[in-house]
Amino acid sequence: AQSVTQLDSHVSVSEGTPVLLRCNYSSSYSPSLFWYVQHPNKGLQLLLKYTSAATLVKGINGFEAEFKKSETSFHLTKPSAHMSDAAEYFCVVSEWELTGGGNKLTFGTGTQLKVEL
Amino acid sequence: NAGVTQTPKFRILKIGQSMTLQCTQDMNHNYMYWYRQDPGMGLKLIYYSVGAGITDKGEVPNGYNVSRSTTEDFPLRLELAAPSQTSVYFCATRDGTVFSGANVLTFGAGSRLTVL
Repeated sequence: AQSVTQLDSHVSVSEGTPVLLRCNYSSSYSPSLFWYVQHPNKGLQLLLKYTSAATLVKGINGFEAEFKKSETSFHLTKPSAHMSDAAEYFCVVSEWELTGGGNKLTFGTGTQLKVEL
Repeated sequence: NAGVTQTPKFRILKIGQSMTLQCTQDMNHNYMYWYRQDPGMGLKLIYYSVGAGITDKGEVPNGYNVSRSTTEDFPLRLELAAPSQTSVYFCATRDGTVFSGANVLTFGAGSRLTVL
């Protein structure tokens, strides 16, 4: 069975400082991993995805994540936070299966990122 | 290009009332999903559909029903609304033509439902 743990429910950073949002996963097979971002009163938008190619994945708006199989982690980082990054971030693990709509998706509980001046 | 459109955006229901949340997509995606989002809980799958005429239950289907008569539309029906159904509901689609766990979901903007 797969699972996702987002280690921090809230993260607060100052504008211009680095961002680190932590995600650990468990999976029986080789999973695909995603980070989605949700701005207030909006739907979820894909930031980036890992699909067993390069372990360092670059996404939109300067975000990137590194897949570390030995640590079962997929942490999201950004070198310099901007006010517009304030949002909720979800880590998602996906395994292919014949049922469940083709994907079994498990969402983390989310990390709320606050960016202060 | 509208993508995934959900209506209504907000709704307040009384206990025992019924309503339908609408979801329409223009991307010709086969797979469609309904999720509910509760604070601190992530997203939970209610129902999904792999194509017109085919639907199946997700993790939390009780109290809901769906239908899929066309590729474009996937309405979610709440019968006998209960306070436990107060939540934000998201419809999502995925291109099912490629067999891969890496396919990305496209989400609607959400429908916020309050049951009093």
